[in-house]
Amino acid sequence: DSGVTQTPKHLITATGQRVTLRCSPRSGDLSVYWYQQSLDQGLQFLIQYYNGEERAKGNILERFSAQQFPDLHSELNLSSLELGDSALYFCASSVGTVSLNTEAFFGQGTRLTVV
Amino acid sequence: EDQVTQSPEALRLQEGESSSLNCSYTVSGLRGLFWYRQDPGKGPEFLFTLYSAGEEKEKERLKATLTKKESFLHITAPKPEDSATYLCAVQGGGGSNYKLTFGKGTLLTVNP
Repeated sequence: DSGVTQTPKHLITATGQRVTLRCSPRSGDLSVYWYQQSLDQGLQFLIQYYNGEERAKGNILERFSAQQFPDLHSELNLSSLELGDSALYFCASSVGTVSLNTEAFFGQGTRLTVV
Repeated sequence: EDQVTQSPEALRLQEGESSSLNCSYTVSGLRGLFWYRQDPGKGPEFLFTLYSAGEEKEKERLKATLTKKESFLHITAPKPEDSATYLCAVQGGGGSNYKLTFGKGTLLTVNP
């Protein structure tokens, strides 16, 4: 158990709908990262938050947004869903400060299926 | 832009047959190189962090090494339970950007 909790584990929804994925980081971790994993693309970085502020953006679509709350949990919102958005979505957390121990620990993921 | 290339894409070994996985990278200012193991349908599980060329780390049958351009994950006398996808990632740049750039992974199958 990595200590990172993601809910829900599975989500099936229709095209055009909106969903929210939730992530609780490990205790003490200030940074949260979201990744998308599909069969052909591998793990793609979406966005990073550090202590409530956005710090880095990757290949995140405009239909997607995220935020980190004061209690450090994070939510990833996916809207106007398309079939191609079907993937595993992972959250990871790390201490996120300037130190040697910057490894990230991953949750078990949310499998999103858009039908 | 940081890039990571892993080879081979897939590797099939017999139990006890040692081998190595390769991770080639280009990064602006390497902060760390990470190895993860991922089982089907699960999240990546952290294995090692390497910070500078010449560094080595070991864990059970796994040993990771780092040069200025690549990293190797050596698997000694593997067992079927070592079967998984092994992912390499780099963390580069400066400031507070701690994102990891991943390779596509090597799918390792160890047959009994």
